[in-house]
Amino acid sequence: GAGVSQSPRYKVAKRGQDVALRCDPISGHVSLFWYQQALGQGPEFLTYFQNEAQLDKSGLPSDRFFAERPEGSVSTLKIQRTQQEDSAVYLCASSPGGGIENEQFFGPGTRLTVL
Amino acid sequence: AQSVTQPDIHITVSEGASLELRCNYSYGATPYLFWYVQSPGQGLQLLLKYFSGDTLVQGIKGFEAEFKRSQSSFNLRKPSVHWSDAAEYFCAVGPSGTYKYIFGTGTRLKVLA
Repeated sequence: GAGVSQSPRYKVAKRGQDVALRCDPISGHVSLFWYQQALGQGPEFLTYFQNEAQLDKSGLPSDRFFAERPEGSVSTLKIQRTQQEDSAVYLCASSPGGGIENEQFFGPGTRLTVL
Repeated sequence: AQSVTQPDIHITVSEGASLELRCNYSYGATPYLFWYVQSPGQGLQLLLKYFSGDTLVQGIKGFEAEFKRSQSSFNLRKPSVHWSDAAEYFCAVGPSGTYKYIFGTGTRLKVLA
């Protein structure tokens, strides 16, 4: 398909487990974003990549959150020692360029539930 | 700090009725403004955006939005709602020269047959 894909779509983790969420952006898109969407809230920015470089990780809530995009394509968001407050939908978006004027195309999200 | 307010958490309209979803932003200059729609199980889809120029912006699916600088608002409108418009709608702002969206908390639209 031509859109952004994310896997898994649903993830249930026990508190303390590590999880890895995958994002496949649109081919050729330079920019990749991760957002966290808590229940009843709008998405909140987590981190931004331009190609393989992580240019902004100011939104990551703690050092348990780590993101990478080693080859400038697929990205993984890893959460270590998950906590209940990590339960949310994690959205990935890609964009052909880096500026705000470029449309961000969103994936369907991964719903993480931490028990 | 920049912020976006969507004062209506839920809105219910009858099919065929007109719709207006409110969005107010707080920012020192005119930011880039966006409306996205999120259907269940789907990703966010861009409806329309405003950067500059004509303050009435046309989008997809028959939606339009009007930028009013004096009111710091960017309200979304549709003259006649279809049942398929039932979804959650998010207003977002993005300061020029950056890449980050700041989203509102969303308005959930229910359409009555």
